[in-house]
Amino acid sequence: GAGVSQTPSNKVTEKGKYVELRCDPISGHTALYWYRQSLGQGPEFLIYFQGTGAADDSGLPNDRFFAVRPEGSVSTLKIQRTERGDSAVYLCASSSAAQETQYFGPGTRLLVL
Amino acid sequence: SQKIEQNSEALNIQEGKTATLTCNYTNYSPAYLQWYRQDPGRGPVFLLLIRENEKEKRKERLKVTFDTTLKQSLFHITASQPADSATYLCALLSMDTGRRALTFGSGTRLQVQP
Repeated sequence: GAGVSQTPSNKVTEKGKYVELRCDPISGHTALYWYRQSLGQGPEFLIYFQGTGAADDSGLPNDRFFAVRPEGSVSTLKIQRTERGDSAVYLCASSSAAQETQYFGPGTRLLVL
Repeated sequence: SQKIEQNSEALNIQEGKTATLTCNYTNYSPAYLQWYRQDPGRGPVFLLLIRENEKEKRKERLKVTFDTTLKQSLFHITASQPADSATYLCALLSMDTGRRALTFGSGTRLQVQP
C-alpha cells in the first residue's frame, strides 16, 4: 500500500514569507508526527496529533509554527514569517494507535533565502 | 540534561565483517529504543524495536542489544554488504517525558567497502 507522502518535496522561499507543508499519512493511521531535521542531525520532534487534536505541540520552536489536521488524516504544517534558520528537512511520520513503529515520509526540503 | 549520543564519526568497514554501532543515553528512562536506517534524501526507515525488559532482538542479519544499567544499545550488522551503507539512527521513547514522540540521536554513518 501507499506510504506516507509529503508535498512539496522541495520549497524555496524568501525570508518573511509564509509556507505550508503537507503530509498524507498512511490510511487508517491515527497518530501523526512532524519532525525537523538539520544537516548532520537526527530528526527533532515538533508536534504530535492523535486524531484531529494536537496531543503534544511542545516541540514547536515558537508561535510562527502551527499545524492542523482538521479531518484526522492529512496534516499541514504552517510557518509564518520564515527565517533563514527555518531551513531544514521537515519530516512527517504516522503510526497506528496500537503500534509504536513510525513510518516516515520522504520529507520536504525547505530553503529560506 | 538529557542526551542521546551516537558516534558522529563515520564507521568504515570491509564487506563481510560485522558492523557495530553504539547508542548511549543519559537521564532518560526509555520504555523502548528503536533503530532506523536513513539514506541520503530519504526519510528514516524503521529496523528494530527493543523494549526495556528485553536484552537482545534479532532480525535476519541485524541484532540489537539493550543494557539499561549501562544506558546503552548496540546495533550489529553481520556479514555486512555495500548496500548496508547508510546513516543509522537510534531513537527512544521515554515515559518520563510524557511525550509519545521519539527522541533521536544524531546518527552514525556506515560505509561498507567492497
